[in-house]
Amino acid sequence: GAVVSQHPSWVICKSGTSVKIECRSLDFQATTMFWYRQFPKQSLMLMATSNEGSKATYEQGVEKDKFLINHASLTLSTLTVTSAHPEDSSFYICSASGGIGDTQYFGPGTRLTVL
Amino acid sequence: DAKTTQPPSMDCAEGRAANLPCNHSTISGNEYVYWYRQIHSQGPQYIIHGLKNNETNEMASLIITEDRKSSTLILPHATLRDTAVYYCIVRVGNTNAGKSTFGDGTTLTVKP
Repeated sequence: GAVVSQHPSWVICKSGTSVKIECRSLDFQATTMFWYRQFPKQSLMLMATSNEGSKATYEQGVEKDKFLINHASLTLSTLTVTSAHPEDSSFYICSASGGIGDTQYFGPGTRLTVL
Repeated sequence: DAKTTQPPSMDCAEGRAANLPCNHSTISGNEYVYWYRQIHSQGPQYIIHGLKNNETNEMASLIITEDRKSSTLILPHATLRDTAVYYCIVRVGNTNAGKSTFGDGTTLTVKP
């Protein structure tokens, strides 16, 4: 199947700093990428949908000014957690789709710990 | 997207078939049934999907009832490495509307 990578795989940061997470589709062009958040022992929660070259669509309750998403190319989307706080500590997962009817492929996830 | 209902947990003996059910009684005509699984601390892995016909691939088989209100994922010979949370999702197949809404899934434990 298609490969989606995330970088970094884990990050620890101090409260108040910003953290950028990259999501790359390695062997296909991703017209749409999705960002999810998963707290311990919970299911994945969709945060936002991003289409290449346009602004991301955020799910209700997700602060767009706190979670900045950029999808500048067909192979790269970034999620920046601005002014991170301990409650932002979570497992962040991206997924990518390459066209109509295409299956979503998920990245391995990034574990963020905010001290 | 249609809501799905899955049992919270199931056990299966190693080497036996694992049958994971999913109810999606409000599924629309243009919504596909997708199955993913998530092994602890990893991203979800695509398993299989279908619209109305039964599907089979190297990982599993998907049986969809004729009225499409429920489906069953079958792992024919479960191994210990199949222990994971299995998610059944229904969504429109078109990418722009293709966001996946995850429910709580079924935690499958394969035992020796």
